[in-house]
Amino acid sequence: EAQVTQNPRYLITVTGKKLTVTCSQNMNHEYMSWYRQDPGLGLRQIYYSMNVEVTDKGDVPEGYKVSRKEKRNFPLILESPSPNQTSLYFCASSPHSGHYGYTFGSGTRLTVV
Amino acid sequence: AQKVTQAQTEISVVEKEDVTLDCVYETRDTTYYLFWYKQPPSGELVFLIRRNSFDEQNEISGRYSWNFQKSTSSFNFTITASQVVDSAVYFCALRNNQAGTALIFGKGTTLSVSS
Repeated sequence: EAQVTQNPRYLITVTGKKLTVTCSQNMNHEYMSWYRQDPGLGLRQIYYSMNVEVTDKGDVPEGYKVSRKEKRNFPLILESPSPNQTSLYFCASSPHSGHYGYTFGSGTRLTVV
Repeated sequence: AQKVTQAQTEISVVEKEDVTLDCVYETRDTTYYLFWYKQPPSGELVFLIRRNSFDEQNEISGRYSWNFQKSTSSFNFTITASQVVDSAVYFCALRNNQAGTALIFGKGTTLSVSS
C-alpha cells in the first residue's frame, strides 16, 4: 500500500530533550515536506526537500532540522524542544516538485512540557 | 501574496442535506494548483482533489463535486446527500508553480453531519 509513515503518533517530552520524528514513504517520491498544524494558525510548512541531499526552509523553520540522506526518509529533528513546539506535525510526499498533490502521513502529536 | 479564505468556520447539517463549502483564493500567478483535503476526527489528512489553473472543468466524484471559477477566484466543494461519515474538517489549499513552494492552506471548515 502506498503510504507515508510517521513515527511516533504521540509523544510527550520535556523541554530541551532532543527528539526525532521519523518519516518514510514507499512511493519513490522526490519531494517531501514537513508541516505543523496549530489551532488558529492552520497548517504551515517547516522544511521541504526536493530530492536526496536537497533541503530548504519553509515558513517556520526555527528550532527544527531535517536531513534527506535517502529518498524514502525525511526525519524531523528538534535539537532542543520548547513548549511552543507543541503541535500536530505532518510529513508529506509528492512526485516531482509537489504539483500533483501531497500524500500526508497520519500525523505526530507532540507535547513539550 | 497568496491566500486562501474559507469563510465558513463551522457548518452543521442533517443527514441527506446537500452542503457547499466555500473557498476563495488569491494569487498573482497565472499557473497554480488548487486542492481539497479532508481531516476526519482521527486526524489524518486525506487528499480529495487537485485542479490546475488551466482546467476549469467542474468535477464530480460520487457524492462530491467541485466548482472552479477563475472569474471569482473560487473553488467550492459540494457534498450531495451528506452522511455522518462526512463529518470532518475540510481544507482548501493553493500552490503556485514554483518548485518547492508550500501548500497554502485555508483555516478549514468544520462540517458536522447529524443523523
